[in-house]
Amino acid sequence: DAMVIQNPRYQVTQFGKPVTLSCSQTLNHNVMYWYQQKSSQAPKLLFHYYDKDFNNEADTPDNFQSRRPNTSFCFLDIRSPGLGDAAMYLCATSFGTGSGETQYFGPGTRLLVL
Amino acid sequence: AQKVTQAQTEISVVEKEDVTLDCVYETRDTTYYLFWYKQPPSGELVFLIRRNSFDEQNEISGRYSWNFQKSTSSFNFTITASQVVDSAVYFCALSEANMNRDDKIIFGKGTRLHILP
Repeated sequence: DAMVIQNPRYQVTQFGKPVTLSCSQTLNHNVMYWYQQKSSQAPKLLFHYYDKDFNNEADTPDNFQSRRPNTSFCFLDIRSPGLGDAAMYLCATSFGTGSGETQYFGPGTRLLVL
Repeated sequence: AQKVTQAQTEISVVEKEDVTLDCVYETRDTTYYLFWYKQPPSGELVFLIRRNSFDEQNEISGRYSWNFQKSTSSFNFTITASQVVDSAVYFCALSEANMNRDDKIIFGKGTRLHILP
């Protein structure tokens, strides 16, 4: 089945130690999104790629970076995680037509910062 | 500006009861898209439905039904004969047509639904 895969499902890191979260897709979608979701809140969009074009949200901290080496993979890098970065990180994909195509989400990675 | 309001923060019902989750949206566009997602305790956001602004027909899928009313800017979701497995957080979301080739969506704050056995 076509899907969005995130690894790992759980990630523990230390305060200030760089961490990378991974997302891959078999849907061949043009757009890949990264969201941060804290407890009892809605997902918050950090940034997205249309193909190789990177689009950052205005309020995304510089501490968060992303890479998309090819259509299938996208990475979220947190350069110096703080305690406030502990959250669920969700990856999603869509066709990218500007016509409200459905976003399909991966299972998420829960990040714990010690 | 676009906005999605889910006024019900948390709802509890007894199994087999019907329950309706409310969603009210704001947009200035005439072309837009509405969504519902389910987020069970495992955390994955599961797509349930997509509706465009030109299609006001109600939709039924098994025990799930959706009522879209442009006159009141609402897109409500009803679960009939609820089951414990329906316990989750449900998000309503809105996307506006755009020239940026992205499909960005605005989420409501979600409604946490508890189905009690």
